[in-house]
Amino acid sequence: GAVVSQHPSWVICKSGTSVKIECRSLDFQATTMFWYRQFPKQSLMLMATSNEGSKATYEQGVEKDKFLINHASLTLSTLTVTSAHPEDSSFYICSARSGAITGELFFGEGSRLTVL
Amino acid sequence: AQKVTQAQTEISVVEKEDVTLDCVYETRDTTYYLFWYKQPPSGELVFLIRRNSFDEQNEISGRYSWNFQKSTSSFNFTITASQVVDSAVYFCALRATSGTYKYIFGTGTRLKVLA
Repeated sequence: GAVVSQHPSWVICKSGTSVKIECRSLDFQATTMFWYRQFPKQSLMLMATSNEGSKATYEQGVEKDKFLINHASLTLSTLTVTSAHPEDSSFYICSARSGAITGELFFGEGSRLTVL
Repeated sequence: AQKVTQAQTEISVVEKEDVTLDCVYETRDTTYYLFWYKQPPSGELVFLIRRNSFDEQNEISGRYSWNFQKSTSSFNFTITASQVVDSAVYFCALRATSGTYKYIFGTGTRLKVLA
């Protein structure tokens, strides 16, 4: 099946620093990728839809200047958490849609961010 | 508005028992997709099944089976003869077939299978 790779799988950083998370579709081209955030024991919350070659579409309540998304190619989207604070600590998951007809999302392994 | 409800927050069963995870959805769309995903402790989400709204046929895959009923807007998931490896959080999701293709996830059901 389609594979989506996410890196890093975990990261610890100091408050005030920025962290970049990469999401790659390894064996298919993904014009659209999605970024989710998941708090412990909670569901996935869609943060933004990342479109190749255009600006990301952010969900209501998600700060676009805080969570910078770049989808520079058909196989790579990046999420940068700028000036991270402890409340940004979370599990971030990217996904990519494989094809338009079948519609299922394939998810990356997730990235656990801990901000000290 | 679209919504997915998984009323069962956590279920514990003893190995070899059958267990059903409930999923109820709301949508005004006439065409949509329903999904189930498994999230083991490692965190990665694993795709289990996709069901088109026009296909109400139940599906069985090994120990897994799904019961889709449009009349009650439900898409329930049954694991037969559960195993410890089935322990995970299971998410039901809904997606329209047009527009932004956004997925709406339920809150998940944490399944614990005890040996």
